[in-house]
Amino acid sequence: GAVVSQHPSRVICKSGTSVKIECRSLDFQATTMFWYRQFPKQSLMLMATSNEGSKATYEQGVEKDKFLINHASLTLSTLTVTSAHPEDSSFYICSARGIGGEQYFGPGTRLTVT
Amino acid sequence: EDKVVQSPLSLVVHEGDTVTLNCSYEVTNFRSLLWYKQEKKAPTFLFMLTSSGIEKKSGRLSSILDKKELFSILNITATQTGDSAVYLCAGDKSGGSNYKLTFGKGTLLTVNP
Repeated sequence: GAVVSQHPSRVICKSGTSVKIECRSLDFQATTMFWYRQFPKQSLMLMATSNEGSKATYEQGVEKDKFLINHASLTLSTLTVTSAHPEDSSFYICSARGIGGEQYFGPGTRLTVT
Repeated sequence: EDKVVQSPLSLVVHEGDTVTLNCSYEVTNFRSLLWYKQEKKAPTFLFMLTSSGIEKKSGRLSSILDKKELFSILNITATQTGDSAVYLCAGDKSGGSNYKLTFGKGTLLTVNP
């Protein structure tokens, strides 16, 4: 199956700092990329949808100024958590949608804000 | 509002058993249904079903979609402990560039030795 990578896989940062997470589709061009977060034992929560070269569409309740998304190319999207706080600690997962409609998830990034 | 409902929410079986996981959906402009397996990390893609009545198979896993009755099933035969995971189904909709998957809550499958 198609491969989506995320970097870093795990990050610990201090409160007030910003963290950038990269999501890459390695062997296909992703028309759309998605960012999710997941708390323990809970469902995936969609945060935003991004199409290459255009502004991301954020889900209701997700602060666009806090979670900055850049989708610079058909294989790369980044999520920057700005001025992180402990309540932002979570598992962040990206997914990439190929032309055929299949959607593949990256391995996730575990963010811990101290 | 789009809705995907999975049943059962959890299931405990013994190795070698066959299981059937259910997924019903109400998705406007429905395009396809996707199945994923989630262990301790991110979901792993299993199947995408677009056409009704055509079974997709991958090893011991198979899945089929019924677009008239709006449901899909995922079958796992001869289960192994490694099949223990949460199985998620999601409805995909067509329509411009506004793609969004609607996920069910998942079925937690536990396979005991």
